[in-house]
Amino acid sequence: GDSVTQMEGPVTLSEEAFLTINCTYTATGYPSLFWYVQYPGEGLQLLLKATKADDKGSNKGFEATYRKETTSFHLEKGSVQVSDSAVYFCALSERRNTGFQKLVFGTGTRLLVSP
Amino acid sequence: SAVISQKPSRDICQRGTSLTIQCQVDSQVTMMFWYRQQPGQSLTLIATANQGSEATYESGFVIDKFPISRPNLTFSTLTVSNMSPEDSSIYLCSVMEGTGKVLGQPQHFGDGTRLSIL
Repeated sequence: GDSVTQMEGPVTLSEEAFLTINCTYTATGYPSLFWYVQYPGEGLQLLLKATKADDKGSNKGFEATYRKETTSFHLEKGSVQVSDSAVYFCALSERRNTGFQKLVFGTGTRLLVSP
Repeated sequence: SAVISQKPSRDICQRGTSLTIQCQVDSQVTMMFWYRQQPGQSLTLIATANQGSEATYESGFVIDKFPISRPNLTFSTLTVSNMSPEDSSIYLCSVMEGTGKVLGQPQHFGDGTRLSIL
């Protein structure tokens, strides 16, 4: 089946540092790709998405580009804030035999930003 | 996007008991999902619950252990039956707007139910 691999955390940065969280995927078709964020004690929130090759998703200063040639969807932010401290999940949607789609998640990467 | 409310937000239960988790959505949705997130782990899909049909369970999850109801387009329940300490997890409800057959439609999540079994 399809799968998602994320870099292990925690990623520890100082405020205003540049962030990259690597995500690569394995898929037989052409999945859509997502980044979700989970703040402490909360559920998951959709951060951004991309539905086809070379699409760039962006939101709240975060960006990720769907790279089909390298099967990657790395998350980047130019200047992180303490409030960005959270767990970030990369995910893809795969189409099942039923025709419905299913989300496949990576293991998550914890980001810790210090003042 | 849809607003999802889960109850209870957390609970501590005794071994051998059962707990029913409720998920309420503020709009009608076709597809609802139940996930488990074990401590420090990623999300694992338990089952897909579509209104008017039986829930579809993923490998490793069975209806006797995790019965699900979906009485209408805005509500679902997940019961964790005969609980053991291994069931201590966060249980998350999720919805997908639309038919679920268009690739790229995101899922939206509730805040989860944090369950601890003694």
